[in-house]
Amino acid sequence: GAVVSQHPSRVICKSGTSVKIECRSLDFQATTMFWYRQFPKQSLMLMATSNEGSKATYEQGVEKDKFLINHASLTLSTLTVTSAHPEDSSFYICSAPDSRANTGELFFGEGSRLTVL
Amino acid sequence: SQELEQSPQSLIVQEGKNLTINCTSSKTLYGLYWYKQKYGEGLIFLMMLQKGGEEKSHEKITAKLDEKKQQSSLHITASQPSHAGIYLCGADKAGGGADGLTFGKGTHLIIQP
Repeated sequence: GAVVSQHPSRVICKSGTSVKIECRSLDFQATTMFWYRQFPKQSLMLMATSNEGSKATYEQGVEKDKFLINHASLTLSTLTVTSAHPEDSSFYICSAPDSRANTGELFFGEGSRLTVL
Repeated sequence: SQELEQSPQSLIVQEGKNLTINCTSSKTLYGLYWYKQKYGEGLIFLMMLQKGGEEKSHEKITAKLDEKKQQSSLHITASQPSHAGIYLCGADKAGGGADGLTFGKGTHLIIQP
């Protein structure tokens, strides 16, 4: 199947700093990528849809100015958590559909664990 | 908005026994995905179901989507310690995976030796 890679897998930062998480489709082009967040012992929650060449679409309750999404190319989307605070500590996962397969199947990255001190 | 209800929330099963996890949707399912996850780790794709009445198997895991496309079940036969983890069902918000997935809250499976 298609491969989606995230970096970094773990990051620890101080409160008030910004952190960037990258999501790459390694062997296919992704015009759309999805960002999810998962708090401990809770389910994954869709945060936003990243669209190559246009603005991201955010789910209700997600602050677009805090979670900046840039889909700079057909293989890369980045999520920047700006002015991070401890409550932003979470597990962030991206996914992308492989349009070649035409099945709608989504491929997930390995996830990035953010800890804000 | 679509909601997925998973049951049970947690399950303790003796090794070698069979088990079933259910996922019920408040709306018709365009696509239903089953994933396995360990807390804080990535998702392992298990199966995707799209057609009413569809059934797929992979090793000792079988998933079904009912005819009305509102409920799916995941069945594990002769459970093993490697089956332990969190099982998540996810549904397409719209057909073709175009709008991301909505997930259930997960079922925590514990296998007792």
